[in-house]
Amino acid sequence: QVQLVESGGGLVKPGGSLRLSCAASGFTFSDFYMSWIRQAPGKGPEWLSYISTSSTYTKYADSVKGRFTISRDNAKNSLYLQMNSLRAEDTAVYYCAREVSTWLDPWGQGTLVTVSS
Amino acid sequence: DIQMTQSPSSLSASVGDRVTITCRASQSISNYLNWYHQKPGKAPKLLIYAASSLQSGVPSRFSGSGSGTDFTLSISSLQREDFGTYYCQQSYSARTFGQGTKVEIK
Repeated sequence: QVQLVESGGGLVKPGGSLRLSCAASGFTFSDFYMSWIRQAPGKGPEWLSYISTSSTYTKYADSVKGRFTISRDNAKNSLYLQMNSLRAEDTAVYYCAREVSTWLDPWGQGTLVTVSS
Repeated sequence: DIQMTQSPSSLSASVGDRVTITCRASQSISNYLNWYHQKPGKAPKLLIYAASSLQSGVPSRFSGSGSGTDFTLSISSLQREDFGTYYCQQSYSARTFGQGTKVEIK
């Protein structure tokens, strides 16, 4: 079955960096755009970024543009999110999701990122 | 940026009730509108895509309608397992989510 598993979350100090990974299985990873979405405690989801099948095209939300970088390795069926200059307001559960046409399905279980001194 | 506004922000209904949630876009998004359901501690799950298409495996009591700026998610007969928060999401320009509608069972 289609499965997405995020990893790499944890506690990081303000100004620090973190790299999240998303391992995909159960489908042909290289055929699909992929997205990162986050959800702060008690808030709704916030889309962050997507990447095209061959990494040619990426798009970012204004809130993370210039600080976060999305990438993928189709040979390893993996998606990544490099997060730099982290702030307290970046504290959230981070999800990866498969882009099917223009909707997100499925989502991974999420990984928690806490930015605190 | 396209803003998505849901109403109500929360509701309480009884099993068997018909429930309607609305979502309004700040500009026309055609039918680029999806609905998700999230239970506490879990990831959101896709219910409806392209405004009115039912995702495979989702019960037929769920339905979606609308186009342009105004959209509706309906649950024809609320069941206990339908509690949680419902989000709309536009994919016309980047992606934006609504703030959510929390559904509680009376």
